[in-house]
This record gives sequence, structure tokens and C-alpha cells, in this order.
Amino acid sequence: QQQVKQSPQSLIVQKGGISIINCAYENTAFDYFPWYQQFPGKGPALLIAIRPDVSEKKEGRFTISFNKSAKQFSLHIMDSQPGDSATYFCAAHHRDDKIIFGKGTRLHILP
Amino acid sequence: DVKVTQSSRYLVKRTGEKVFLECVQDMDHENMFWYRQDPGLGLRLIYFSYDVKMKEKGDIPEGYSVSREKKERFSLILESASTNQTSMYLCASKPTASNTGELFFGEGSRLTVL
Repeated sequence: QQQVKQSPQSLIVQKGGISIINCAYENTAFDYFPWYQQFPGKGPALLIAIRPDVSEKKEGRFTISFNKSAKQFSLHIMDSQPGDSATYFCAAHHRDDKIIFGKGTRLHILP
Repeated sequence: DVKVTQSSRYLVKRTGEKVFLECVQDMDHENMFWYRQDPGLGLRLIYFSYDVKMKEKGDIPEGYSVSREKKERFSLILESASTNQTSMYLCASKPTASNTGELFFGEGSRLTVL
């Protein structure tokens, strides 16, 4: 199974709140888990990534939590800001160099 | 900075036409990818190439072909465009040495097939 399942499809959060996006996978041949951020009219850009032997990675207000046994990982955006409004994709890098994406979450931060 | 350039941002074609989408990257990356992006379906891999003249099918290759004659250029070809190929097409590249899943994307080509 190459699938990466992402939820929710859309999310509305108040400014200053915490945004949480969840993903799950089945294929144990995935060896890296990146998150991408996409603004309208632009291509996706790497936001943060984590290896499966690490349980958490934090970069500024963005944190990935990784649960290897449950095959789940999530993105937390602390102190969410209107400028964070974008579409977020989780992804998984396969050993054969393919990168499989989730279906995306459209995040809107209310001012 | 890595730059991935897609030659056409917007195209309108008729059913049955042959369509070429061109992508050029300037960072000497070995791997190049074509994805299509549709609302609610995310990014789906059409084809990828890990070297000149090499290509691999992705998850949805039907109706598409690709060409990689030079390292910096990866073309997506729709031999006979159909309305269900109306979509946003995204090209991306990465170096082989990187296994972090970091892709460098172009800004996309929005194709409408009438």
C-alpha cells in the first residue's frame, strides 16, 4: 500500500490557536515524512520533515509528532497566524525515491 | 536558490489535441517528477525520472507520456487530450543523494481541455 491518509480536509482555527493536521500510512518502506505548505498560485514548498526514528521535531511554531508503532504522524501549528492560511500536505518518501502525498488540508486562520 | 520553471502557467486546449508541458530545473538534480493536483485528491504522481532517458510510471500514468533528453528538462506529453485531464500539473525535482522527501516544485501549469 502506497497510500498516505490525511485529515481533516479543511480546518478553521482562531488566530493564536493550535492547528492540528493528522496523517497515517501503512507502508513500512517509507523512510522520511515531510510536510509541505502551498499558497494559492504557488507550488508546494517543504515546511518541515521527520525521520521515523524520531518522535518529535520542532521548527519555530511548527512541530511534527511521529508515532511509529501506530504509523501516524501529525503537524501542530502553535499560535496560528492568518499568514499560515494555506493548504498543507503530508507526504512519505519511499525507498525507491517516490514521494507519496496525502490529499491535503485547507487551513484558514481567522483574524 | 533552486529554480524549477514550467514554461506555461495557463493553457487551454481542445479535446484530441497533443499537449506538451515543459519543465526545466537549474540545480543539476537527477530526479524529476510530474504530479497532477486536483481538489480533494491531493498530488498524484504521473511519472518520474531518475536520469536522462530514464522514466518510471507513477500512480496515474494512463493517457500521459514523458521525455527526458537532457538532465535539466522533463516534458509531460498528453498524446490526445481529454476533458478529464483538465487539472493543475506540477513539476518537481530533487537530487538523488537526498532521501528527506524534499522536492522543489515549479509554480504549476493549469490546463483546461475543452
